[in-house]
Amino acid sequence: DSGVTQTPKHLITATGQRVTLRCSPRSGDLSVYWYQQSLDQGLQFLIQYYNGEERAKGNILERFSAQQFPDLHSELNLSSLELGDSALYFCASSPLTGTSNYGYTFGSGTRLTVV
Amino acid sequence: QQPVQSPQAVILREGEDAVINCSSSKALYSVHWYRQKHGEAPVFLMILLKGGEQKGHDKISASFNEKKQQSSLYLTASQLSYSGTYFCGTHHSGAGSYQLTFGKGTKLSVIP
Repeated sequence: DSGVTQTPKHLITATGQRVTLRCSPRSGDLSVYWYQQSLDQGLQFLIQYYNGEERAKGNILERFSAQQFPDLHSELNLSSLELGDSALYFCASSPLTGTSNYGYTFGSGTRLTVV
Repeated sequence: QQPVQSPQAVILREGEDAVINCSSSKALYSVHWYRQKHGEAPVFLMILLKGGEQKGHDKISASFNEKKQQSSLYLTASQLSYSGTYFCGTHHSGAGSYQLTFGKGTKLSVIP
């Protein structure tokens, strides 16, 4: 157990639907990062939050959004789902932001399948 | 810009050595290395910081060449447990740059 909790582990949904992925960071970590992993693209950065505020955005689609709550857990919302959104979605956490002196701790991921 | 890893895949026999390279087109502040086993989350191995020295972790070590904007991961006397996909993650210099950008990975298979 890495200390980063992601739920659900698996999700199967139909095109056009909306889903929410949840992440609880490791105790004491303030930064949360969301990554999408597909077979041919590796780990693609989506978005980062630090202590409740958005800090960085990657190639995140407009149909996707995220937030970090006061208790530091984060949710990634995916809407108007398309077949191409099927992927493994990872959440990672680290103690700080603006520095990379700490490694990321990854959760076990949510496998999303859009049918 | 996504860093470029090479090779894409490598097969080793137990006890053999391997080198995995990671190159960036942008100035680097640091490089992270992670290993991901099939169906599992990536696991942090080590960080190399700008101006830092080569780091080691058991029989796995890495170097960071700031001028060439490259890092290399060295696996010596490989064990079956080393099998997995290795990712480098780069953190670039410059304001507002907080996240890691990962390469596409190098799949390492160690066979008996």
